[in-house]
Amino acid sequence: GDSVTQMEGPVTLSEEAFLTINCTYTATGYPSLFWYVQYPGEGLQLLLKATKADDKGSNKGFEATYRKETTSFHLEKGSVQVSDSAVYFCALRENTGTASKLTFGTGTRLQVTL
Amino acid sequence: DAGITQSPRHKVTETGTPVTLRCHQTENHRYMYWYRQDPGHGLRLIHYSYGVKDTDKGEVSDGYSVSRSKTEDFLLTLESATSSQTSVYFCAISESGTPTYEQYFGPGTRLTVT
Repeated sequence: GDSVTQMEGPVTLSEEAFLTINCTYTATGYPSLFWYVQYPGEGLQLLLKATKADDKGSNKGFEATYRKETTSFHLEKGSVQVSDSAVYFCALRENTGTASKLTFGTGTRLQVTL
Repeated sequence: DAGITQSPRHKVTETGTPVTLRCHQTENHRYMYWYRQDPGHGLRLIHYSYGVKDTDKGEVSDGYSVSRSKTEDFLLTLESATSSQTSVYFCAISESGTPTYEQYFGPGTRLTVT
């Protein structure tokens, strides 16, 4: 079945540092890929998405490129802020009949300090 | 923000009691989903609905049932709550079942079974 593997956290960075959160996936077809962010005490918010190979999703300074050859969708940001502290989830969505369902990674907690 | 509300937001109940969680949307989206979030597991799909009275099981459906009698409401019922069902429950909605459409998440319900 489909699966998503994320790097274990927590990731602790100083403000303005470069961020990479690794994500790889296993899927039988051609999934769409997503990054969701969860701030403390809140639900998940869509951060960015990519729907086909070589697409780059971007939002709020975050970027991720859909790499079919390496089955990866790594999240990057050039300069993190304290306000980026949250849990980040990589997810895929593939056609599986009546409704395509999201498969999530386990999440990576990011802590940004001054 | 997508119009999704969940009720109650917090609940403490005893083992063996029935519990119903409600998800309400104002977006008129066809697809609705229930997930549970647990440490080390990310989010896992419990049940989903692809229309009024049309529902199907997800990967962790044992001990749960759902109902959808109108487009805007999706109910999750624990017939006899157990301590293993202590979790945070998220509802999500989607306009379409195709993979390119994102899911929007509600704020979550924290359920504690004592």
